[in-house]
Amino acid sequence: GAGVSQSPSNKVTEKGKDVELRCDPISGHTALYWYRQRLGQGLEFLIYFQGNSAPDKSGLPSDRFSAERTGESVSTLTIQRTQQEDSAVYLCASRSIAWRGGNEQFFGPGTRLTVL
Amino acid sequence: AQSVAQPEDQVNVAEGNPLTVKCTYSVSGNPYLFWYVQYPNRGLQFLLKYITGDNLVKGSYGFEAEFNKSQTSFHLKKPSALVSDSALYFCAVRDQSNDYKLSFGAGTTVTVRA
Repeated sequence: GAGVSQSPSNKVTEKGKDVELRCDPISGHTALYWYRQRLGQGLEFLIYFQGNSAPDKSGLPSDRFSAERTGESVSTLTIQRTQQEDSAVYLCASRSIAWRGGNEQFFGPGTRLTVL
Repeated sequence: AQSVAQPEDQVNVAEGNPLTVKCTYSVSGNPYLFWYVQYPNRGLQFLLKYITGDNLVKGSYGFEAEFNKSQTSFHLKKPSALVSDSALYFCAVRDQSNDYKLSFGAGTTVTVRA
């Protein structure tokens, strides 16, 4: 079946502009995560959505970052007034919680954001 | 609190030799443990996981990992490495009392030379 998809695959923007990144999770996966991966570094948790519960926004680095998800479908990550330090790959992952135990996350290919 | 350490930034092996990528973890309770691989310009792909039961876990592409509770380790192994195994490998942990948040290690770059 279809995996997690993300768009765009690459985004180049100028400092100060807003960007919107999109994630389409695997159908039926109620849990959705956003991560940031800077060049040569590990994954930095940004935000978590689970169904209609309040999202865990504890990883968002500043109030310039926000994310939305309608129900159990598409999610968008918005970065306002982009800065050069926002340049990174933004990864989305989804997970089924049908078995609450140890289900793994499935990752999308990522969006590479470059802020000039 | 939960955390993962991957003590080696890089691992270099010759093709056909055994490959080991080290991972140690820290959780307050019992862990769920995962290994992911990332090829250049790609997202992370799931390799294997430890949930409960047998300490030796077998996964994709001939990889396996052994859960060692006393040493709080979950090292990834492959008996005979291939050039195509060259990639970035991430270990991740979740305390079983934590419903959803994974903690990832910093990653280990594996290079397999022909």
